[in-house]
Amino acid sequence: GAGVSQTPSNKVTEKGKYVELRCDPISGHTALYWYRQSLGQGPEFLIYFQGTGAADDSGLPNDRFFAVRPEGSVSTLKIQRTERGDSAVYLCASSLRASRVTGELFFGEGSRLTVL
Amino acid sequence: AQSVSQHNHHVILSEAASLELGCNYSYGGTVNLFWYVQYPGQHLQLLLKYFSGDPLVKGIKGFEAEFIKSKFSFNLRKPSVQWSDTAEYFCAVNNNNAGNMLTFGGGTRLMVKP
Repeated sequence: GAGVSQTPSNKVTEKGKYVELRCDPISGHTALYWYRQSLGQGPEFLIYFQGTGAADDSGLPNDRFFAVRPEGSVSTLKIQRTERGDSAVYLCASSLRASRVTGELFFGEGSRLTVL
Repeated sequence: AQSVSQHNHHVILSEAASLELGCNYSYGGTVNLFWYVQYPGQHLQLLLKYFSGDPLVKGIKGFEAEFIKSKFSFNLRKPSVQWSDTAEYFCAVNNNNAGNMLTFGGGTRLMVKP
């Protein structure tokens, strides 16, 4: 498709389980971003990639969260030992490149994670 | 660290009313400013952006925003809202050193009554 694709759209898991969320950016976009949006709040930055490398991971809340982008395209956000507080919508966005500010991030529809 | 405040969490208007949504940011350096919109059931999309030049910027669907540097503000306006403007609106900021990494405000949920 033409837009940013995220799977799964909904994920329900139990406390302590491992979860992977996938993002497929727009073809040709070298920069990829993960955000987390909790209920009633704005998106909160987690990490961004320029190509294969994580250019800034300062937003990851703790070491249970990890993200990869091995081939510079698809990215996976991994959450270990999930906690109820991890419940949120995880948003992925991409842009042509991060080194030059263009301001337009193209967002996916998000993956809604519910930890019971 | 930069932050963004949106003072109105919920706004209810009747069609044809004028809209102004407040946005203030805290960052001492040069910033780029954005408004994103999320219509019900849809993804976030860019409404308008300010980088430099004319502080009054126009976006899609008749929206505009004014950058007032002395007030650290970037308020969103529309002279006459429509029912289809019902959505959640997010103000965002980045600085020139942060690539496209955005800091978002908490959002304002707008409901327009037909």
